[in-house]
Amino acid sequence: DTGVSQDPRHKITKRGQNVTFRCDPISEHNRLYWYRQTLGQGPEFLTYFQNEAQLEKSRLLSDRFSAERPKGSFSTLEIQRTEQGDSAMYLCASSSGGGVTNEKLFFGSGTQLSVL
Amino acid sequence: TQLLEQSPQFLSIQEGENLTVYCNSSSVFSSLQWYRQEPGEGPVLLVTVVTGGEVKKLKRLTFQFGDARKDSSLHITAAQTGDTGLYLCAAKAAGNKLTFGGGTRVLVKP
Repeated sequence: DTGVSQDPRHKITKRGQNVTFRCDPISEHNRLYWYRQTLGQGPEFLTYFQNEAQLEKSRLLSDRFSAERPKGSFSTLEIQRTEQGDSAMYLCASSSGGGVTNEKLFFGSGTQLSVL
Repeated sequence: TQLLEQSPQFLSIQEGENLTVYCNSSSVFSSLQWYRQEPGEGPVLLVTVVTGGEVKKLKRLTFQFGDARKDSSLHITAAQTGDTGLYLCAAKAAGNKLTFGGGTRVLVKP
């Protein structure tokens, strides 16, 4: 079990460009989550998938953000027309499910995005 | 207003000292989790507390869930430099999403 893998680890882009991040969850984990974290803050929920179905999206996720998990395995998060306010660490987590009291999330190391 | 309020925001102590960080909410939760995050890495789950009044120990770390299941604390005994990190509490509110507090940054100096 290699853990949750995120690529790239760092991304520097210019304002207005599009960026795409990839997350490979722990194999056979059916749930996959995306969070965003800014410096000194806790992670903020963006969206989550149960297999290939996107079940919940945060109001934080503007129309410029889109996430996919086409085959229920890896996921991509795309940000179009990036803005400086998008600069943050983007974290992916996966789990094998579970109820309210026993779900365990395993996080990747994140993708640090800097928008110049 | 955040669902989970953590205090203090920052704590700096000497190695060997004890510390306590708090996680408070006006909401009742079925369970609450604590994570530790090191710079440049994702959070790592430390513990899940489920029952009101529950106390769980993980080596020098003691976690307590409030009787009313609205708050929790994390106490570290004889802190070591390896305890340095961002401590996050998290719980599920509506839906299935896990919501995090703002975190307490702990610095243990040698």
